Amino acid sequence: AQSVTQLGSHVSVSEGALVLLRCNYSSSVPPYLFWYVQYPNQGLQLLLKYTSAATLVKGINGFEAEFKKSETSFHLTKPSAHMSDAAEYFCAVTLVTGTASKLTFGTGTRLQVTL
Amino acid sequence: DAGVTQSPTHLIKTRGQQVTLRCSPISGHKSVSWYQQVLGQGPQFIFQYYEKEERGRGNFPDRFSARQFPNYSSELNVNALLLGDSALYLCASSLSGPAFFGQGTRLTVV
Repeated sequence: AQSVTQLGSHVSVSEGALVLLRCNYSSSVPPYLFWYVQYPNQGLQLLLKYTSAATLVKGINGFEAEFKKSETSFHLTKPSAHMSDAAEYFCAVTLVTGTASKLTFGTGTRLQVTL
Repeated sequence: DAGVTQSPTHLIKTRGQQVTLRCSPISGHKSVSWYQQVLGQGPQFIFQYYEKEERGRGNFPDRFSARQFPNYSSELNVNALLLGDSALYLCASSLSGPAFFGQGTRLTVV
């Protein structure tokens, strides 16, 4: 069975500072990994995905993540935080993408951006 | 193109009642999945349907059921509601890639 662990339920950064949200996965086979963002009272929006192509994945809104097999990690980064980045971020894993894509989510990291 | 649409957006039910939630996938998407998100937690997988067949079921009691229609829309039914069923219910659709989520239905059981 696959799982993800998100370290840090709350992360606070200053506007303009580096954003680093941590995600470690556990999977017996090469996984597909995703980051989703959730704004208050809304659904989930896909930020980026890793599907065994390039290990450095670029997503929307300036976010990127790097798949590191040796560290079983898929951390999300953004060079410069903006106030609009304040939201809940979820890392998710699945073993098969597409028609059998049951996603297993982490517990989420709430990002706060301060002036 | 319209994204994944869910209805209703909010509803309040009494313990013991039954509820039906609806989901329309992105046009062309044949797979629909349902997730339950309790406040403060990540979404939990409930069901997945593809071409009207159940392809996966999460660890939820038999009070939860779902179906998919020929136009690929889907319904999630929950019987004998409990207070603990209060949550945001998310529907996601996919074709051959990642899942795209709707805005969710906020269910409150009182």
